[in-house]
Amino acid sequence: GAGVSQSPSNKVTEKGKDVELRCDPISGHTALYWYRQRLGQGLEFLIYFQGNSAPDKSGLPSDRFSAERTGESVSTLTIQRTQQEDSAVYLCASSPRHFYNEQFFGPGTRLTVL
Amino acid sequence: QQQVKQSPQSLIVQKGGISIINCAYENTAFDYFPWYQQFPGKGPALLIAIRPDVSEKKEGRFTISFNKSAKQFSLHIMDSQPGDSATYFCAAPIQGAQKLVFGQGTRLTINP
Repeated sequence: GAGVSQSPSNKVTEKGKDVELRCDPISGHTALYWYRQRLGQGLEFLIYFQGNSAPDKSGLPSDRFSAERTGESVSTLTIQRTQQEDSAVYLCASSPRHFYNEQFFGPGTRLTVL
Repeated sequence: QQQVKQSPQSLIVQKGGISIINCAYENTAFDYFPWYQQFPGKGPALLIAIRPDVSEKKEGRFTISFNKSAKQFSLHIMDSQPGDSATYFCAAPIQGAQKLVFGQGTRLTINP
């Protein structure tokens, strides 16, 4: 595709339910990033993939958060037993190998936990 | 040491004026300084970037000024337009970590 796509665009769930958020990076981009953006706040790094390995998971806030990536393609961020404080926009970005400074962002998934 | 501090948090400028957003960093190993622009409901998009071997970079109405000794860099938007109203983030790469650290963002409003 032309850009990074994310689905769903909006997700409303009940506290305690699990959610899966999907990211399709730009074709050929080997690096993939997940960020969390709370309302009116900055970008909080969650996890980074190079190919299908995750050398940096330091931003995952708890063991309820996990992410996977298939090859150099789609990634899924899973949040188990969602809490109200998980409500935020989850952004995905990708970048070409060796150009990780220039990240291309998707439109985000707005997650609301009731 | 791995942070960038951005100011102001919000800024209101009249159409045609100059918008200035500042960022300060601590880690002298930072070697690339991008600015991202984010419109409501959209993801951030790379706007302009500078490397520390130059003091200024200009692209159209957008200019980055870099002060290595003060460890500061700033974004200037000349002849600001209502369409420039957005949130702006400065960022810097963390050397060896292959990721960016972002400032807290500045919400810019250009009044017509």
